[in-house]
Amino acid sequence: GAVVSQHPSWVICKSGTSVKIECRSLDFQATTMFWYRQFPKQSLMLMATSNEGSKATYEQGVEKDKFLINHASLTLSTLTVTSAHPEDSSFYICSAPDRGFGKLFFGSGTQLSVL
Amino acid sequence: KQEVTQIPAALSVPEGENLVLNCSFTDSAIYNLQWFRQDPGKGLTSLLLIQSSQREQTSGRLNASLDKSSGRSTLYIAASQPGDSATYLCAVPGRLNFNKFYFGSGTKLNVKP
Repeated sequence: GAVVSQHPSWVICKSGTSVKIECRSLDFQATTMFWYRQFPKQSLMLMATSNEGSKATYEQGVEKDKFLINHASLTLSTLTVTSAHPEDSSFYICSAPDRGFGKLFFGSGTQLSVL
Repeated sequence: KQEVTQIPAALSVPEGENLVLNCSFTDSAIYNLQWFRQDPGKGLTSLLLIQSSQREQTSGRLNASLDKSSGRSTLYIAASQPGDSATYLCAVPGRLNFNKFYFGSGTKLNVKP
């Protein structure tokens, strides 16, 4: 199956710093990628849809200036959490669909802890 | 808006038992339904994908069924093993954007040796 690589796996940072998370599709091209956030014991909540070559689409309630998304190529999308605060601590997961519609392939996730 | 519900939220069974996980969704106009497994602190692994025209899919000890009209899907796990312990999530794509998935809150399964 398709492979989605996500880095880093975990990051600890001080409040006020910015953190960048990368999501790569290794063996397929992804014009669209999705970024989810998951709080402990809760399900995944879609934050935004990353579109190659154009602006990301954010879900209601997600601050686009806080969570910057860049999809510069067909295999790479990045999520930057700007001026992180403790309440941004969460598990962030990216995913990409296969061609057409159908299966979603997920990265391994990034655990962000903001001190 | 599509809402996906999973019951039970948690399940603990002895090894070898057969079990059923339930998933329900409010909008029956779905293209497909997907079951995932999530291990603690990890991403999601796709287990089974059922297209809207199908009634069930099987992979090894896993069998997923789909009843669109009633808005339900079940994941049947036969002869459970401790390695099956994980959180199981179901997801359906949106009606207008089939690449946008709606997830249930998951069933946390613990299979005791």
